[in-house]
Amino acid sequence: DSGVTQTPKHLITATGQRVTLRCSPRSGDLSVYWYQQSLDQGLQFLIQYYNGEERAKGNILERFSAQQFPDLHSELNLSSLELGDSALYFCASSVDRIGSPLHFGNGTRLTVT
Amino acid sequence: AQKVTQAQTEISVVEKEDVTLDCVYETRDTTYYLFWYKQPPSGELVFLIRRNSFDEQNEISGRYSWNFQKSTSSFNFTITASQVVDSAVYFCALSALRDDKIIFGKGTRLHILP
Repeated sequence: DSGVTQTPKHLITATGQRVTLRCSPRSGDLSVYWYQQSLDQGLQFLIQYYNGEERAKGNILERFSAQQFPDLHSELNLSSLELGDSALYFCASSVDRIGSPLHFGNGTRLTVT
Repeated sequence: AQKVTQAQTEISVVEKEDVTLDCVYETRDTTYYLFWYKQPPSGELVFLIRRNSFDEQNEISGRYSWNFQKSTSSFNFTITASQVVDSAVYFCALSALRDDKIIFGKGTRLHILP
């Protein structure tokens, strides 16, 4: 058990809808990362927060947004969903901003129909 | 820009054979960190090792060993006497000091055949 909790585990929704994925980092970790893993694809970096502040952005679509709250949990909001957004979304946390290993949650499997 | 290349998309070996997974990275930073992660069929991502750019010593952990060579920008992973339980997708990743991102390669899917 990595100590990172992601909810929900599975999400099935229709095109055009909006969903929120939630992540609770390991106790003591200040950094939260979001990654997208599509079928047969690697891990695409979306965004990173450190202690509530956005630190880095990857190839995150404008329809996607995220935030980290004062209690350090994070939410990833996906709106105007398209079929191509179907993927496994991972949250990971680490102690520091850089250099520390990431500890991953079990992911949220999003299916857009 | 940072980049991680895992040229081997898929590898199959027979149990007990040794196998090496290649990882080549690009970064302009002199201070950076390299990682390997394992994703077994169950889907979770498991941290295996971290190396910083100033430590080129090879590391061995049981049947696993890692060869870091700055001269060739490579951080290769070898499994000795492979076992079926080693079947997984393995990801190499890079984090540079001046960039908060951790960039992953596309992964190598390893099949260990009984």
